[in-house]
Amino acid sequence: GQQVMQIPQYQHVQEGEDFTTYCNSSTTLSNIQWYKQRPGGHPVFLIQLVKSGEVKKQKRLTFQFGEAKKNSSLHITATQTTDVGTYFCAGRGLDNQGGKLIFGQGTELSVKP
Amino acid sequence: DTGVSQDPRHKITKRGQNVTFRCDPISEHNRLYWYRQTLGQGPEFLTYFQNEAQLEKSRLLSDRFSAERPKGSFSTLEIQRTEQGDSAMYLCASSLLQGNEQFFGPGTRLTVL
Repeated sequence: GQQVMQIPQYQHVQEGEDFTTYCNSSTTLSNIQWYKQRPGGHPVFLIQLVKSGEVKKQKRLTFQFGEAKKNSSLHITATQTTDVGTYFCAGRGLDNQGGKLIFGQGTELSVKP
Repeated sequence: DTGVSQDPRHKITKRGQNVTFRCDPISEHNRLYWYRQTLGQGPEFLTYFQNEAQLEKSRLLSDRFSAERPKGSFSTLEIQRTEQGDSAMYLCASSLLQGNEQFFGPGTRLTVL
């Protein structure tokens, strides 16, 4: 079945440093979503990427979808303490008509002030 | 508050007991999803509904798990003869359409002793 792998599992940065998490799918995706989960909280939607090679920005966050639609990345520029949390990618397969999402294991980001 | 709500927020039970969780989605959302999340992992898809119809159930889900959405509004997830391995956070999410973002509830944390 479809699998989504995410690396690294943990990332500790100094405030102001950049952060990147990478997501790889075993199969081609129709689209990919990114979610953020704060400690003790639930996943909150950040963005959806649909097109091959798509790049989207949200302030300090940059999201990319690979040309083959099998990988994606999230880059945060100049991290802040408010960026702390676990970032998940979640893919939807080409044959998935139901909308279910296959989540990666997540990357837990900690930011030292 | 018009977000997704779940009840109860916490449940402690003894092995072998049955438990039932409830999810109230955002009112106009016709898709409802159940996920399970364990520590350090991403949400794992369990099942989803479109209106009152259960359209997909994970092959990983044993026969002890059953879900309903009788009137296309709230949903219940029942686990029969609970096992210690069922201990997890059970998350409910809803969305308008398959391509749209999923809105997650706060989850029900199940502990099986």
